[in-house]
Amino acid sequence: DVKVTQSSRYLVKRTGEKVFLECVQDMDHENMFWYRQDPGLGLRLIYFSYDVKMKEKGDIPEGYSVSREKKERFSLILESASTNQTSMYLCASSLELAGIYNEQFFGPGTRLTVL
Amino acid sequence: AQRVTQPEKLLSVFKGAPVELKCNYSYSGSPELFWYVQYSRQRLQLLLRHISRESIKGFTADLNKGETSFHLKKPFAQEEDSAMYYCALGSYNTDKLIFGTGTRLQVFP
Repeated sequence: DVKVTQSSRYLVKRTGEKVFLECVQDMDHENMFWYRQDPGLGLRLIYFSYDVKMKEKGDIPEGYSVSREKKERFSLILESASTNQTSMYLCASSLELAGIYNEQFFGPGTRLTVL
Repeated sequence: AQRVTQPEKLLSVFKGAPVELKCNYSYSGSPELFWYVQYSRQRLQLLLRHISRESIKGFTADLNKGETSFHLKKPFAQEEDSAMYYCALGSYNTDKLIFGTGTRLQVFP
């Protein structure tokens, strides 16, 4: 059973702080994703990664960066947190199989509040 | 542009009533479509995908390329179906999923 874990369920930070959100998956998946989930806006992709040290911008990358130094770990970084980054952050992973679009497995989410 | 539209934010029905959650998409190629569900206090998970053409928890969804729709249907709603439902479009050239804004289904006893 795929397990995707996120370092915190709830996080409260102050404006201007640097914030790290960590995600770990235990199924040797190549692909990893970071989304934010907001009411009325659905899930929006921030960044994704196909492989170690690879990253691609999603639809809303501004104000965020990512790091993937190991295959199982994908970190989301808010360089200088702002109040409009208050949101639920979801991490997901999927297997890379050519010609098949694979199910994404999600973590439990981190609810970040920026004061 | 690739897009997924879920026109209803909230759908409320009584137990035993039929349910249809609407999803329309725009995509220039051959689409890969999914329904994901998030029950209260649980993580988002795949409910079904069009390519497998199966029924999960009594839900079905048929891809209608002419109408560019992938509506989720269940003939008799149950209280445990209450959840947030997201329609998603797979983009092969990027491995991304494009999600709709979601529909909250409330099933009343």
